Amino acid sequence: EAGVTQSPTHLIKTRGQQATLRCSPISGHTSVYWYQQALGLGLQFLLWYDEGEERNRGNFPPRFSGRQFPNYSSELNVNALELEDSALYLCASSLFRGAERNQPQHFGDGTRLSIL
Amino acid sequence: KNEVEQSPQNLTAQEGEFITINCSYSVGISALHWLQQHPGGGIVSLFMLSSGKKKHGRLIATINIQEKHSSLHITASHPRDSAVYICAVYNGGATNKLIFGTGTLLAVQP
Repeated sequence: EAGVTQSPTHLIKTRGQQATLRCSPISGHTSVYWYQQALGLGLQFLLWYDEGEERNRGNFPPRFSGRQFPNYSSELNVNALELEDSALYLCASSLFRGAERNQPQHFGDGTRLSIL
Repeated sequence: KNEVEQSPQNLTAQEGEFITINCSYSVGISALHWLQQHPGGGIVSLFMLSSGKKKHGRLIATINIQEKHSSLHITASHPRDSAVYICAVYNGGATNKLIFGTGTLLAVQP
């Protein structure tokens, strides 16, 4: 069974540009989560998508956005990049069966975004 | 104060030693994850538990809901166990959101 895959592995951008990160969940998983891990900081929850809808959002500005496609893959878009956006962005997926919440999350290897 | 606290922050052990990493949390939770992150960033989910104890190979995780505390134990530690170990809790409700501890950096020396 293929795990969670993320692309690209590394991404280098300059201030003001836009970045798009991609995530493919484990087959059968409908929920996709995005997390940011900045240097020296712990993991911070960014976004949760399930069945194509945004279900929850962390304390990040609106220039962090995303979407989930009908095949459950997901994109994270970061607009107007700032230096402090440099971080490892991790995607995770899980089953989500409505009332059966809190399923185990399975993580990808991340995309390392560097802002110059 | 962080909602999820881990101790110690850094741990160095000799190969073969028994290791314990602790996690305390201040919020109500529905479940707790133990995660392993190797250099390079990829994260592996080790356990998810909401009560009692789970064992997988040389790893054991316990949780005490009343005391809001969980421990991760590694028996017969090996250099390949060197990684960052992260505790994360689901705070219940409809948010399905994980709250993370800051991690414990473990180095096992041969």
